[in-house]
Amino acid sequence: QVQLQESGPGLVKPSETLSLICGVSGYSITSGYYWGWIRQPPGKGLEWIGSVYHSGSTYYNPSLKSRVTMSVNTATNQFSLKLISVTAADTAVYFCARDKNIRFFDYWGQGALVTVSS
Amino acid sequence: NFMLTQPPSVSASPGKTVTISCTRSSGSIASYFVQWYQQRPGSAPTTVIYEDNQRPSGVPDRFSGSIDSSSNSASLTISGLKTEDEGDYYCQSYDGSVHVFGGGTKLTVL
Repeated sequence: QVQLQESGPGLVKPSETLSLICGVSGYSITSGYYWGWIRQPPGKGLEWIGSVYHSGSTYYNPSLKSRVTMSVNTATNQFSLKLISVTAADTAVYFCARDKNIRFFDYWGQGALVTVSS
Repeated sequence: NFMLTQPPSVSASPGKTVTISCTRSSGSIASYFVQWYQQRPGSAPTTVIYEDNQRPSGVPDRFSGSIDSSSNSASLTISGLKTEDEGDYYCQSYDGSVHVFGGGTKLTVL
């Protein structure tokens, strides 16, 4: 059974960098598929942030592209998200998920709340 | 990029049938698969329909998906409604290498 788990600071100061890691178990990242990040501001809908392949190839939401970096660590079977210059508008629950061929997400992590506040 | 528009809310009584629509603003609905996710409060989304009309194992056949090229929209139909079906439902599709989610529909089972 594929399982994903987000980890990282729950509080980030404005203008700083949000960093999250997603640990994957039950499936090797190098076996294929993309790996994505999706966020959900409190009380709002889902927003795709981007997806990364084990080779390092990335696809980002055009609205966030200038601030996002995603990468993969095949040795630890993890992938990560960095979002720079955060503001209160970046406060959200951040989910990691397996992205099946840039078509849909079939396995999701439980989500991690990140609050941007001084 | 394109948008996916869903009604903010729908409601129906237990045992009834409800349909949630998802309209694509540009690009053919038939050219890119549509997925549907259910999200209960405080939980991560789970897939109830993928690739327009496919149900993952474990999802009851009360859930079905379809697309309508004439209205450029997709629909999720839930029959024999149960109180456990309450939650938010999101459609999702893509265009090349960009994913887009609909705004979500809150389903209330009265």
